[in-house]
Amino acid sequence: LAKTTQPISMDSYEGQEVNITCSHNNIATNDYITWYQQFPSQGPRFIIQGYKTKVTNEVASLFIPADRKSSTLSLPRVSLSDTAVYYCLVGAGGTSYGKLTFGQGTILTVHP
Amino acid sequence: SQTIHQWPATLVQPVGSPLSLECTVEGTSNPNLYWYRQAAGRGLQLLFYSVGIGQISSEVPQNLSASRPQDRQFILSSKKLLLSDSGFYLCAWKVPGNTEAFFGQGTRLTVV
Repeated sequence: LAKTTQPISMDSYEGQEVNITCSHNNIATNDYITWYQQFPSQGPRFIIQGYKTKVTNEVASLFIPADRKSSTLSLPRVSLSDTAVYYCLVGAGGTSYGKLTFGQGTILTVHP
Repeated sequence: SQTIHQWPATLVQPVGSPLSLECTVEGTSNPNLYWYRQAAGRGLQLLFYSVGIGQISSEVPQNLSASRPQDRQFILSSKKLLLSDSGFYLCAWKVPGNTEAFFGQGTRLTVV
């Protein structure tokens, strides 16, 4: 699995857009990029997944440049309830994909 | 629909006592299964994962063990708990080949 690097923490205010960038220089051709959100005392929850360019769902957008060596999770107009830890994972989607490793994640704190 | 059950929610155990945490998944077949531990304020540490009955991969050598006696049952055990085993234990499953994992509610273990 490709190693990922994220900022340890970020601060924002309600109503702002938050962008969290993840570096994955050693991403392989068949690797997908997946983001999870974790609230205190809960398990992580899948947010979004992408392979290249841009993916958008009802929660977030994921921007992936052409070289795929990084990705940016964008949360539009955050609220206090978006305060959580966000994890970036990179791995293959093939049938042999068993191991699922999380890094330290980014602690996002949204202030009033 | 698929569901994951993990119990108990909280557990207080004395040092040197045994441990057994159970996780079961419903509504799917041949899932990949995972055990994670999360210390306070830290990221998720992958302990064990399994891609099939009786197939266990260990990520961290320690006094914990895992077993998968049935397709949708994953058990985390210890013969003698250490203080350092305290933490938040999470079970997860996913469809082989997919990158979206689903987590249980977790077990808060305190070793005293």
